[in-house]
Formats: sequence, structure tokens, C-alpha cells
Amino acid sequence: AQSVTQLGSHVSVSEGALVLLRCNYSSSVPPYLFWYVQYPNQGLQLLLKYTSAATLVKGINGFEAEFKKSETSFHLTKPSAHMSDAAEYFCAVTPQNSGYSTLTFGKGTMLLVSP
Amino acid sequence: EAGVAQSPRYKIIEKRQSVAFWCNPISGHATLYWYQQILGQGPKLLIQFQNNGVVDDSQLPKDRFSAERLKGVDSTLKIQPAKLEDSAVYLCASSSKRGSVGSYNEQFFGPGTRLTVL
Repeated sequence: AQSVTQLGSHVSVSEGALVLLRCNYSSSVPPYLFWYVQYPNQGLQLLLKYTSAATLVKGINGFEAEFKKSETSFHLTKPSAHMSDAAEYFCAVTPQNSGYSTLTFGKGTMLLVSP
Repeated sequence: EAGVAQSPRYKIIEKRQSVAFWCNPISGHATLYWYQQILGQGPKLLIQFQNNGVVDDSQLPKDRFSAERLKGVDSTLKIQPAKLEDSAVYLCASSSKRGSVGSYNEQFFGPGTRLTVL
């Protein structure tokens, strides 16, 4: 079974600082990988996805993530944090070799941005 | 294009009562998902429909939870009777079709229903 581990339930950064949210997956075959963002009292919004094309994936709002097979990682980064980035971020996986699109989510990382 | 609609947005009930949640997916989306998101955790899939048929309900507690998707459009998730541990946000999502080998169809999420069981 596939699983996702997000290191750190909370990450605090200052406005303008680098954002790094960590995600590691466990799978015998590289899966498809996703980052979702959830603002308070809202549903999940897709930030970006890796579907076996380019390993460096650019998403919305200036976020990007790099798939590293050797490290089984898909960390999310943004060069300069903005106050509006404060939200909860979820990493998720789904098998490449399946006809299903079922997502398995990590426990989430709350990003706190201070002025 | 309208997004996934859910109602109610909030619900407070006492344990052993019953409750129902409604979801209207994006028009034309054949696949519908219900997720349970407990505070401090990521969403967990409860059930997946393809049109009006169930594809995966392996994590649905069938002794108390039920779901249906009549006519392959709207869906209702019911809990009867509710327990304290059912307090969570229930998210509905839809995608245009079930993914196939080598492809993926993005899931679009609704705002969720926050359930509090007292």
C-alpha cells in the first residue's frame, strides 16, 4: 500500500523567507504525486502535480516541487513567502499503474507566515 | 463553471442521532468521492462512485454510514447513528472520469460539511 509522510505538522516562516514543506512517499513504483492547499473553512485546491513528465513541477501562486526518485521525495518550495500563503498543505499520492484515481493524503503541514 | 456544491456547511448533532450530507458535483463529472477529514489528519476516502455505481467503499463503516448516488449526479452521505468520533469535515470531490493506466483525472473538491457530534 502506498503512504505519504509529511515532516512537521507546523512550519513557521517570516514574510519573504523561503518556504520548504517536506513530503516523502512509500511505494514500490513511483506514483503520481500532488500538493493541495486548504484555506480555513474551504475545500482543497490543487497546487501542482507530478505525473511522470518533468521532475521539476511548477504550480500556482509561485510554488514548485521537485520529484526525486532516489530520495522518494516531493518537497514543496516557494522562494518568498507571502502572508496569503498561510494555510494547510497536503501531499497526496495515487498509483500510476491503476485505473483508479483514489488519493492517499498525508497528515498535512500548517504553514504560518509572520510579518 | 460552477464548482462542487455541498450542504449543509455546518451541522451539530448529539450522539446516536442521524445526519445526512448532500453533494452536487461539477456538471458532467462521472466520478464522485466522499472523504472524511478528522482534525489534524489528511482526508481519507470513504467511498467512490463511477456514475451511480460504487467503485470503492472499502473504508466506509457500513454499520453506520451509507451513501447513494441516484441517477449518477447528486449524492447523499448518511450517518446513523452518529458517534463522537464521527466529528470531522466531510468533503465531496468529483472528477471528469475515472483515471486509466498512465493518466490521471484531477479531483475538484467542495467546501466540505463540518460535523460536530456532542
